[in-house]
Amino acid sequence: NAGVTQTPKFQVLKTGQSMTLQCAQDMNHNSMYWYRQDPGMGLRLIYYSASEGTTDKGEVPNGYNVSRLNKREFSLRLESAAPSQTSVYFCASRKQGSADTQYFGPGTRLTVL
Amino acid sequence: EDQVTQSPEALRLQEGESSSLNCSYTVSGLRGLFWYRQDPGKGPEFLFTLYSAGEEKEKERLKATLTKKESFLHITAPKPEDSATYLCAVQAGAAGNKLTFGGGTRVLVKP
Repeated sequence: NAGVTQTPKFQVLKTGQSMTLQCAQDMNHNSMYWYRQDPGMGLRLIYYSASEGTTDKGEVPNGYNVSRLNKREFSLRLESAAPSQTSVYFCASRKQGSADTQYFGPGTRLTVL
Repeated sequence: EDQVTQSPEALRLQEGESSSLNCSYTVSGLRGLFWYRQDPGKGPEFLFTLYSAGEEKEKERLKATLTKKESFLHITAPKPEDSATYLCAVQAGAAGNKLTFGGGTRVLVKP
């Protein structure tokens, strides 16, 4: 099992460009999450998907959209990147009915110039 | 609003020097408190889940405890490989699937 995988690992964008961060899990988990991690701010939830076909906003959703493509995949899209979106992005997944533990991917380091 | 505060922000230890990390929380109806370890450039790695006051869990040199207001992560006789950032998170009854994270404690263990 690869667990949670994310692509790309690194990305540099110019202000106004768009991109999609990809996340996939092979653990048959129902719930998936997108977080951003900034120095001094901790991990903050952007969007989550409790199950296939549903998505909900987290703490910091502005400037982002998500798609739960199927049970395995959950993508995060930046339509018009801004320097404030420079961050490290983590995807996580959780099995319904488990001990609620979320398992994280390796992260995508995004820089917006 | 759920809040999680970790202290200290950073901790420098000599190998073998035991210490404790603190995670204090304010939530409405705690469903679970989680500890993660994060190495530089990597994603958080799950360590423990605690559900009720008085609960304790151990893994190698790490021991996590929980009270009604805070959790401690005790590191006994640490080794340099225990150097990492340790993250605490809570899941509240009203938050559904969501976790609220603290800012983390960076631990450096020197040989």
